[in-house]
Amino acid sequence: DAGITQSPRHKVTETGTPVTLRCHQTENHRYMYWYRQDPGHGLRLIHYSYGVKDTDKGEVSDGYSVSRSKTEDFLLTLESATSSQTSVYFCAISEPPGEKLFFGSGTQLSVL
Amino acid sequence: GENVEQHPSTLSVQEGDSAVIKCTYSDSASNYFPWYKQELGKRPQLIIDIRSNVGEKKDQRIAVTLNKTAKHFSLHITETQPEDSAVYFCAASMSNDMRFGAGTRLTVKP
Repeated sequence: DAGITQSPRHKVTETGTPVTLRCHQTENHRYMYWYRQDPGHGLRLIHYSYGVKDTDKGEVSDGYSVSRSKTEDFLLTLESATSSQTSVYFCAISEPPGEKLFFGSGTQLSVL
Repeated sequence: GENVEQHPSTLSVQEGDSAVIKCTYSDSASNYFPWYKQELGKRPQLIIDIRSNVGEKKDQRIAVTLNKTAKHFSLHITETQPEDSAVYFCAASMSNDMRFGAGTRLTVKP
């Protein structure tokens, strides 16, 4: 997984609990993204970051927050997980910005 | 926001035949159109992309065409092989807002 790693790879949690997913890159790219993938919906952008402490909302941001305190790390937090947030979550980096996304291996999250 | 529709949702072809996947987009400001391939249990990977100032692009057995007037673009795979079996996603983007189609599951039968 050269360049970008996600952790954990799998997680099962209960409704109402907080969950944090981590994305780590070694490419020093400014832009990082969080997507969720669900059958019939393709990939949908949750949040993205264009630098340390600089983030913006995507298409499906409700119920999610993000933080980026270092160039290499982009965290996605579900403050109070719901069953509708059961999904596969992909982190991505891009160069140039907004193009040629390179995805991490994904995190399978199940909220019971 | 941008809306991308992709057809068909499933496609089955015989090895050696061609496969075509079509996408339409709604926002005429979109200027970048990538295609991703995702094998089962793996990450999506970029296979080809095209910008709005180009009408067609080829890379070996893969080609993409873009019709800006009609706001649609297509992926063409010739001489399909079993290893082409995967889910293919189109996308349309302007700036950092990349919207994906729902995907096409391509099966190539030997």
